[in-house]
Amino acid sequence: QSVLTQPPSVSAAPGQKVTISCSGSSSNIGTRYVSWYQQFPGTAPRLIIFDNSQRPSGIPDRFSGSKSGTSATLVITGLQTGDEADYYCGSWDSSLSGVFGGGTKLTVL
Amino acid sequence: QITLKESGPTLVKPTQTLTLTCTVSGFSLTSPGMGVGWIRQPPGKALEWLAVIYWNDHKRYSPSLQSRVTITKDTSKDQVVLIMTNMDPKDTGTYFCGHVVSAGIHIDFWGQGTLVTVSS
Repeated sequence: QSVLTQPPSVSAAPGQKVTISCSGSSSNIGTRYVSWYQQFPGTAPRLIIFDNSQRPSGIPDRFSGSKSGTSATLVITGLQTGDEADYYCGSWDSSLSGVFGGGTKLTVL
Repeated sequence: QITLKESGPTLVKPTQTLTLTCTVSGFSLTSPGMGVGWIRQPPGKALEWLAVIYWNDHKRYSPSLQSRVTITKDTSKDQVVLIMTNMDPKDTGTYFCGHVVSAGIHIDFWGQGTLVTVSS
């Protein structure tokens, strides 16, 4: 069971907006940065958001992140079929280990 | 350009010890503020942090695996090694190494991963 909690799946139509939540606690998200990763089947994860809301170079501004208290949110606007993937949130925990969410499967209808 | 590549056995027997190597390029294992982490993913399941080693040789382990996992680095070979003892079929999965930015503890570059199967 993952330390961070994400919805197992979300879906939306092309062009729409989708929100993926990530819930933690004061020992991780509440006091640490959050990052988000995109993973296509059979490939390694790719960093899409770091330090709660920063995008690495090459990540389109359709992807945005935020954090409030012990929760974080990934928002994807202007959905494209190519966005269909698994999304994971990650953070650091006071137990001195990295932690991830259980992953959310995004379906673009 | 930062790259990482995992190598090691694809099949190990229960109770055996797994040794995986992450060979890096494009950065130094002693560059301040960086680390190399190991993450695994059972088939169809979520990512799981295993361990990270930093430029100053500080190490951090997943509390649930701390008794079985050891991480070390060889700066002369640009390699980070993960050792996991007493392997079990539940340890089957893809093992990734990644370049860790210690300030925010995120992984900005990932290896392609290596699938390890634990079976007799």
